Amino acid sequence: QSVLTQPPSVSAAPGQKVTISCSGSSSDIGNNYVSWYQQLPGTAPKVLIYKNDRRPSEIPDRFSGSKSGTSATLVITGLQTGDEGDYYCGTWNTSLNSGGLFGGGTKLTVL
Amino acid sequence: QVQLQELGPGRVRPSETLALTCSVSGVSVSSGSYYWSWIRQPPGRGLEWIGYINNGGSTNLNSSLESRATMSLDTSKNQVSLKLKSVTTADTAVYYCARLRSSGWSRWLDPWGQGTLVIVSS
Repeated sequence: QSVLTQPPSVSAAPGQKVTISCSGSSSDIGNNYVSWYQQLPGTAPKVLIYKNDRRPSEIPDRFSGSKSGTSATLVITGLQTGDEGDYYCGTWNTSLNSGGLFGGGTKLTVL
Repeated sequence: QVQLQELGPGRVRPSETLALTCSVSGVSVSSGSYYWSWIRQPPGRGLEWIGYINNGGSTNLNSSLESRATMSLDTSKNQVSLKLKSVTTADTAVYYCARLRSSGWSRWLDPWGQGTLVIVSS
């Protein structure tokens, strides 16, 4: 069971918007930056968001991130069928050995 | 363009040692600007952080694995290695290496290698 809590699945129609949440604590999200990773079927994860809300240059602005307190959110607008896959939040733990943490992942289905 | 590629044995017997290498191109593993991480993903499940190593060879390992895992750098081959001893079927997973980037206090994994599947089975 992951320390960071994500909904197991979300779904929406093409063109719509989805929100994926990631809930943690003061020992992780509350005192660290959050990143988001996209894993399309059969492929390796790829960073979508880093430093809570920054996008790598190659990531379209349909993807956005935010953080408030001990939770973070990934928003995807203008959904496309190619967005179907798994999405993971990631951060670090300040109470243990500063180890990395991932959420359990959220499966996005574009109906 | 930075690229990473993992190489592994495919199958390991229980109680043996799993040895993986990650070949890095486009940047030197001895660069002080980056750390190097290993992450694994059991079939059909989520991601698990294994640890990271810096250019000086210091490591930070997942507390659940640190008694069995070691990481090292081979600067002559520009490779990062992971060894996991006394494996069990629970160690069956796709193993990924990734560059750990940082900006201030922010850290993130980019890019990732394609991953290598390791099956622990007799």
